[in-house]
Amino acid sequence: QVQLQESGPGLVKPSETLSLTCTVSGASISSSYWTWVRQPPGKGLEWLGNIYYSGRTNYSPSLKSRVTLSLDTSKNQFSLNLNSVTAADTAVYYCARGSGWHLSWGQGTLVTVSS
Amino acid sequence: ENVLTQSPGTLSLSPGERTTLSCRANQSVSNNYLAWYQQKPGQAPRLLIYGASSRATGIPDRFSGSGSGTDFTLTISRLDPEDFAMYYCQRYDNSPVTFGQGTRLEIK
Repeated sequence: QVQLQESGPGLVKPSETLSLTCTVSGASISSSYWTWVRQPPGKGLEWLGNIYYSGRTNYSPSLKSRVTLSLDTSKNQFSLNLNSVTAADTAVYYCARGSGWHLSWGQGTLVTVSS
Repeated sequence: ENVLTQSPGTLSLSPGERTTLSCRANQSVSNNYLAWYQQKPGQAPRLLIYGASSRATGIPDRFSGSGSGTDFTLTISRLDPEDFAMYYCQRYDNSPVTFGQGTRLEIK
């Protein structure tokens, strides 16, 4: 059974960089695409981007200038960096397996952008 | 820009009833690359349907998906109390992946 777990700071100051890591167990990170999705409080789901084990990435056009995905095969982890954050980036951030439909998701982690 | 519009925004129904949720795309979805998710408060989305009509592992057969092109539906044949939740459609035929805004299914 594939399990994913997000980790990172729950509070980030405006203009700083939001950094999250997703640790994968039960599957090799070299086996699939890996995706980040976020959900602002009380709102819908927003796709942020995905990364293949080769390092190939796809990003949301609306965030492309601020987002970077990376992976660490030695730790079976992949990461999200979102720079120049504002209050609008406050959301629950989910990691998920796959590039299309997602059967496996992390539980999500709330990141609040506030000074 | 790909846009998915879900309707209605909210459905108020009783357990045991049948319901159909709609997801309409502004551009045709290739290869029926359309998924449906259920989400309950405080939980991650749960995959129900992929490829427009294939049920994910462990999903009860009261859930069914249909449609093609720009019009897709999720049908719940007989509502169980645990089915009252948010439902999202998602197209994944190209990048960027897009989600609909969701339909809230609430108990009447």
